[in-house]
Order: sequence, then structure tokens, then C-alpha cells
Amino acid sequence: EDQVTQSPEALRLQEGESSSLNCSYTVSGLRGLFWYRQDPGKGPEFLFTLYSAGEEKEKERLKATLTKKESFLHITAPKPEDSATYLCAVQASAGNMLTFGGGTRLMVKP
Amino acid sequence: DGGITQSPKYLFRKEGQNVTLSCEQNLNHDAMYWYRQDPGQGLRLIYYSQIVNDFQKGDIAEGYSVSREKKESFPLTVTSAQKNPTAFYLCASNPSGRALGGANVLTFGAGSRLTVL
Repeated sequence: EDQVTQSPEALRLQEGESSSLNCSYTVSGLRGLFWYRQDPGKGPEFLFTLYSAGEEKEKERLKATLTKKESFLHITAPKPEDSATYLCAVQASAGNMLTFGGGTRLMVKP
Repeated sequence: DGGITQSPKYLFRKEGQNVTLSCEQNLNHDAMYWYRQDPGQGLRLIYYSQIVNDFQKGDIAEGYSVSREKKESFPLTVTSAQKNPTAFYLCASNPSGRALGGANVLTFGAGSRLTVL
């Protein structure tokens, strides 16, 4: 059974204080690992897809990396507008469905 | 702008009532999905449809029903058999439910929050 565990559950940062969110996964062959951002009361918004270990993708202050067991979402010099819940999901090679983690709620204080 | 429209945004249900959540997309996507989100938990798949007039149960289908009569529409009915329906419901779509060698990037609607009174 595919599993995704995100840590920490919640993270409070001061504006400008860089940090990382973790997504640990077990899957029978990885087709893709996804990061989404979700604002309160809204639907998730796609950020990145990573396909293989060693791959990295960047968007503004966010950088996602992937190993064979986990992915990190690095946030450099965050701003209050980066406050959101970040969701990680995996898709196995053999299937079409995604397995989601519980999310990390990020709060950036000015 | 293309996207997914969910309605209503907020819905209240009394015990024993069935309620229907609407999901409409104008993205010309073949596949549509319904997820349930509870605080601190990952999204859980309720039902999905890869093509018109066909749908499959997800991980937590009990107490729910769907239909897919049109490509654009995938309504979800929360029946009285669903014992704990209070949750945030998300509809999603992607171009094809059959992963054509690629990864399954989903587009989500804004969600509907259902509360049982």
C-alpha cells in the first residue's frame, strides 16, 4: 500500500527565516511526486511534479527536491504570503490514482 | 477562463437528508474525481470517472453516489447512509484518467464545505 507522511504538521517561521518541509513516501514504483499549495477554504493549487531521484524544481522562493524515499520543499526567505498548507502526493507506476499526505501548515509571521 | 466550478460553497444538512454537490468543468478533461478532506488528514478519494457514463469507487465510497451523464459534470450525492459527512469536499479533473506514460496532474475546484446540523 502506498503511503505518504508529511512533517512537521505545522511550522511557524519569521519572515526571511528559511526552512524545509518533508514528505516521506513508500510506493511500489514512482511515476510522479506532486507538491500542491492550499490556501484556507480553497482547493489545492499545483506547484511541482518530480519524476526521479535527484530531480529539482524551483518556483520563486520554493525549491522541491526528490530522493528515493523522500522529497523536500525548501522555502528560502519566506514572506507572509507563503503561508498556506503544502500537500505532497505520489502516483505509483502501476496506477492512475494519487495518494496524499496530511499536509504541512506553514505560517510566516511578518 | 477554464476551470472547475463547485457549488454550493457551504451546505448544511439535517440528519437523514440526502444532499448533492455540483461540479462542473470547462477544461475538456476526460477524468473527474471527488475527494474528501478532513482536518489534518490527506485527501481521500471517494469516486472517480475516467469517461462519460462510467465511474469507479475510490477508497471511501460508502454513503456516497455519483453520476457522469455529461463530460462537463460530475455531481456527488451525500446520502443519509454516510454517518459522518461533515467535511470539505473537493472536485478535481485531469485530461485523461488513463496515465499515458505521464504523471497525473490534477486541477482542483474551490471546494464545498458540508456541515451536518
